[in-house]
Amino acid sequence: QSALTQPASVSGSPGQSITISCSGTSSDVGKYDAVAWYQQNPGKAPKLLIYEDTKRPSGISDRFSGSKSGNTASLTISGLQSEDGADYYCSSYAGSSTMVFGGGTKLTVL
Amino acid sequence: QLVESGGGLVQPGGSLRLSCAASGFAFNSYAMNWVRQAPGKGLEWVSSISGTGGAIYYADSVKGRFSISRDNFRNTMYLEMNSLRAEDTAVYYCAKEGRYYSSGTYYNEWGHYFENWGQGTLVSVSS
Repeated sequence: QSALTQPASVSGSPGQSITISCSGTSSDVGKYDAVAWYQQNPGKAPKLLIYEDTKRPSGISDRFSGSKSGNTASLTISGLQSEDGADYYCSSYAGSSTMVFGGGTKLTVL
Repeated sequence: QLVESGGGLVQPGGSLRLSCAASGFAFNSYAMNWVRQAPGKGLEWVSSISGTGGAIYYADSVKGRFSISRDNFRNTMYLEMNSLRAEDTAVYYCAKEGRYYSSGTYYNEWGHYFENWGQGTLVSVSS
């Protein structure tokens, strides 16, 4: 149950697009279509943004999109807005009914 | 809605029982989870339980010390924590498992994502 690898921080200016990567292995990210992404604001609970690699729950802006290539998943936020500044976490099913998270990425909107 | 309770300060080696009260959905039809977050750190999956309570899973870090359960009549999930260690200090969130659909049809309760979260309850393990 090793954690997935995310960059510690990313930044972008309003209106730009940014991408956060989530690197795993052929036993988790690369094996299952089960990567999810969460947004967490300070002192708040996480909020689901993306599930099953690319799907958006109802109510989530289409500025948020997910993709995957091999053992690396990515979250792209387009048309960056100031309220997008938050921590972002990826998770993946890791087999044997276990789940693993990434270490989190702090997004700063400049 | 998910509301956690039961957190607090406990000495190393002690025990604590967390509760998660659910409302607004068919509780017994959904798998549930506990996820924790140490101060200033990332998220860590702790444990899962199926809708009936018949399937239970734990992270290696808590296996043998923590016990998850649920009472579908009370719409409540529990986490019994024993032999607590300093490294168990964290905010503990309960989270509803998202369902898996195949071609638009419900397939099973294990979607492998956390659809809704409670506000969390803080557990501090310290002497």
